[in-house]
Amino acid sequence: NAGVTQTPKFRVLKTGQSMTLLCAQDMNHEYMYWYRQDPGMGLRLIHYSVGEGTTAKGEVPDGYNVSRLKKQNFLLGLESAAPSQTSVYFCASSYPPLGQRKWWANVLTFGAGSRLTVL
Amino acid sequence: DAKTTQPTSMDCAEGRAANLPCNHSTISGNEYVYWYRQIHSQGPQYIIHGLKNNETNEMASLIITEDRKSSTLILPHATLRDTAVYYCIVRAEGDDKIIFGKGTRLHILP
Repeated sequence: NAGVTQTPKFRVLKTGQSMTLLCAQDMNHEYMYWYRQDPGMGLRLIHYSVGEGTTAKGEVPDGYNVSRLKKQNFLLGLESAAPSQTSVYFCASSYPPLGQRKWWANVLTFGAGSRLTVL
Repeated sequence: DAKTTQPTSMDCAEGRAANLPCNHSTISGNEYVYWYRQIHSQGPQYIIHGLKNNETNEMASLIITEDRKSSTLILPHATLRDTAVYYCIVRAEGDDKIIFGKGTRLHILP
């Protein structure tokens, strides 16, 4: 049971390049999230999803796109990377399907993070 | 915006109890208080949560005031490994948009 897995763990991009971060969870969770964390700062919500085929904007969505074609995967895309997008990106998931929800249903499980540098 | 306010940083001597406050004056009746911590640059880790009763687990205790407008996370015997950023958030069951604040940076002093 791996929990939440993020790939890649590290990436260096040049300004204008594109890339996709992959988040995979094996807990059958309904909700998935992408956050970014800049040095010395808290977590800021980029986009989130409440189920397969759905996405919604968070606090700082500009410059990012997301997709959730499969329930277990949540992809974060940067179409044209900018130095301001240099950050550590964290994925999280929560909320099992109805019938499996117990006291821990709303607990967020986070991945280990993906460190992105844009030169 | 985050629904909680926390001090930016706190110090605690090793072996003493660390008491981390959180203000959530606009909390709704169906919202729980959750605490997470983030050690260095790792992914945040769940600690504890509660609705209105005090809660305790192997990691910490959570004390929620009677009016539910504030709470305190207690680490009973702080160690150097408890140095981390601690986040307090409020969330109703099934809430989808989860906003974190800046948290409290706890320094455990040897």
